Amino acid sequence: GQQLNQSPQSMFIQEGEDVSMNCTSSSIFNTWLWYKQDPGEGPVLLIALYKAGELTSNGRLTAQFGITRKDSFLNISASIPSDVGIYFCAGLKTSYDKVIFGPGTSLSVIP
Amino acid sequence: NAGVTQTPKFQVLKTGQSMTLQCAQDMNHEYMSWYRQDPGMGLRLIHYSVGAGITDQGEVPNGYNVSRSTTEDFPLRLLSAAPSQTSVYFCASSPGLGNQPQHFGDGTRLSIL
Repeated sequence: GQQLNQSPQSMFIQEGEDVSMNCTSSSIFNTWLWYKQDPGEGPVLLIALYKAGELTSNGRLTAQFGITRKDSFLNISASIPSDVGIYFCAGLKTSYDKVIFGPGTSLSVIP
Repeated sequence: NAGVTQTPKFQVLKTGQSMTLQCAQDMNHEYMSWYRQDPGMGLRLIHYSVGAGITDQGEVPNGYNVSRSTTEDFPLRLLSAAPSQTSVYFCASSPGLGNQPQHFGDGTRLSIL
């Protein structure tokens, strides 16, 4: 069954606001990945994290690999309408394991 | 560079029919996988392959078959479609099994009546 939890499940924000979401697990993960899925399309990788404590940015997006290795966080600054979509976290427990996906956080941005 | 290509994009089947969802990648990736996406459940792994001639089951394999005769292609077969298999199916590939980001196709939207 599903081993990753994401919160919030959904969020509605005003354009220009900052967004924070997280992904948690009861198990330790070796790698954390964050994907975005636009309506009608497949997920696209945003950020990959490979080391505990690692903080990585991709434009207005910043993700962190939690110190405990059981969580990860994604922040979006100054949201814009094209940020709308579903954000998935994914993790691997070992370097040669299968990727496990969280259930996703649905983001809506109100202009 | 096409990346991961899935066909068809949409399909409606009757219960009991069989069909094959096609997936092809042109990146010479060793690892390919199939997921289904249902509301509120994220992506669940159906089957995966670490190379030509090698396949294995994922989290929800029942009712599906796969084969990997070439590096490029990884078709997913529904043997006898059931309404519970109504879903959006995604194929993905990556250079290898492990901490490699996956590249996804645009999905096949399948409805079983």
